[in-house]
Amino acid sequence: QQPVQSPQAVILREGEDAVINCSSSKALYSVHWYRQKHGEAPVFLMILLKGGEQKGHEKISASFNEKKQQSSLYLTASQLSYSGTYFCGTASVNRDDKIIFGKGTRLHILP
Amino acid sequence: GAGVSQTPSNKVTEKGKYVELRCDPISGHTALYWYRQSLGQGPEFLIYFQGTGAADDSGLPNDRFFAVRPEGSVSTLKIQRTERGDSAVYLCASSLEGRGSYNEQFFGPGTRLTVL
Repeated sequence: QQPVQSPQAVILREGEDAVINCSSSKALYSVHWYRQKHGEAPVFLMILLKGGEQKGHEKISASFNEKKQQSSLYLTASQLSYSGTYFCGTASVNRDDKIIFGKGTRLHILP
Repeated sequence: GAGVSQTPSNKVTEKGKYVELRCDPISGHTALYWYRQSLGQGPEFLIYFQGTGAADDSGLPNDRFFAVRPEGSVSTLKIQRTERGDSAVYLCASSLEGRGSYNEQFFGPGTRLTVL
């Protein structure tokens, strides 16, 4: 089951904050966040695991509500380099090794 | 070190033809994933290898799609009797070990397949 991301698109001015949400109808083992710039490969940002463990870049902040099967990615004091499409991916509670990605949230930062 | 590489970067073929897409993962990575990405969509899971064996091929859309990884390193995605709907960017990713639910995946630049 594909996770649902919201919003679909965001336009910010440099320095503003944004929150990107990801929700699933299935019980989750982990949530993964990637950023993809136009014409490039997705780049890893963070993994949030059931039980509270997190792996990823120190400057990225995210949360994982296991009971609600939801995750949020927090982008604070946005920079021009944050522009791109953000994808969340989810792995089920059965610890399937495959990740199912959402449709993405397009983020555009204006100077 | 070198990242994940994919060849060719672009492939244009005619409907009904056979194509092979190659992925060379990061050295030492035992897990390899194939995804397909259409415009405006997220990567769509196709198949996952742990070593030489396909651990999960549930994402392959039909029997025209097949992938191999004979020596546990390079992988080839094979598409028979291509259709226009197969046009997409095919992404390959690798991770240090299996358990994709737990580990970071490193993506290649993709192969853009266009079926005329």
